[in-house]
Amino acid sequence: QQQVRQSPQSLTVWEGETAILNCSYENSAFDYFPWYQQFPGEGPALLISILSVSNKKEDGRFTIFFNKREKKLSLHIADSQPGDSATYFCAAVNQGGSAKLIFGEGTKLTVSS
Amino acid sequence: GALVYQYPRRTICKSGTSMRMECQAVGFQATSVAWYRQSPQKTFELIALSTVNSAIKYEQNFTQEKFPISHPNLSFSSMTVLNAYLEDRGLYLCGAAQGATEVFFGKGTRLTVV
Repeated sequence: QQQVRQSPQSLTVWEGETAILNCSYENSAFDYFPWYQQFPGEGPALLISILSVSNKKEDGRFTIFFNKREKKLSLHIADSQPGDSATYFCAAVNQGGSAKLIFGEGTKLTVSS
Repeated sequence: GALVYQYPRRTICKSGTSMRMECQAVGFQATSVAWYRQSPQKTFELIALSTVNSAIKYEQNFTQEKFPISHPNLSFSSMTVLNAYLEDRGLYLCGAAQGATEVFFGKGTRLTVV
C-alpha cells in the first residue's frame, strides 16, 4: 500500500514558468514532510521541508503549500530553470529524530528552454 | 554543513558473493541511520533503521542474515549484502538524521550483480 502518492509522474514546463508538483498521504500521524531533489546517478538532496503545524514554507524559488485537512501538499518551483530538471520526491515521517522516511514515487521534472 | 559520505560509489560483484558498503556522517552526529535501496521499479525501499541506544530494526522482506549492519558510533555505519543475486541490484542509500527532523543522504552505492 502506497502511503505517499505523487502526481504527475512526469512534468514538462518552459523556462520561467512555475512548476507544481503534488503529493498526498494517508497516515494522519505523519507530521514532517521533506522534499528531495535527485539528479541521475546521485543521492537525493534535501530541498525544502515543512511541519504539519504550518500551511506554507518558502525558500527562495521553492514553496510548499500544505493542507492538513485534505492530507495534501504541493511543491511550487517558481521561475523554473533548466538546472531544476530532476526527479523530486515527497516524503513523510512521524517526527522524532528518525531517519525512517516514507517516500512517494517521484515526479520527473523537465524544464525546457 | 551536514554531509553524508558513502563508499564505494559503485561496485560489481559476482552472483553469490558479498559486498560491504560504508556510510559516514560528517559535520554532525547522526541520531539515527537508515539504509534504503532505490530501484527503478520500487522507488525507495527501507531496509533497516538504526537508532542510538536501540536495536537495529529491519523492515519486512529484509533480514539481518542477508543485510547485516554495523553502527558502532554516531558517525559511521556499514552494511553488507551477503550472497548477492540479481534482485539485489540497485542504488543503496544511507540516510542520517540530524536532530529532530532533517535527514541527509549520501550519494549512494550502486550495486551491480553479474
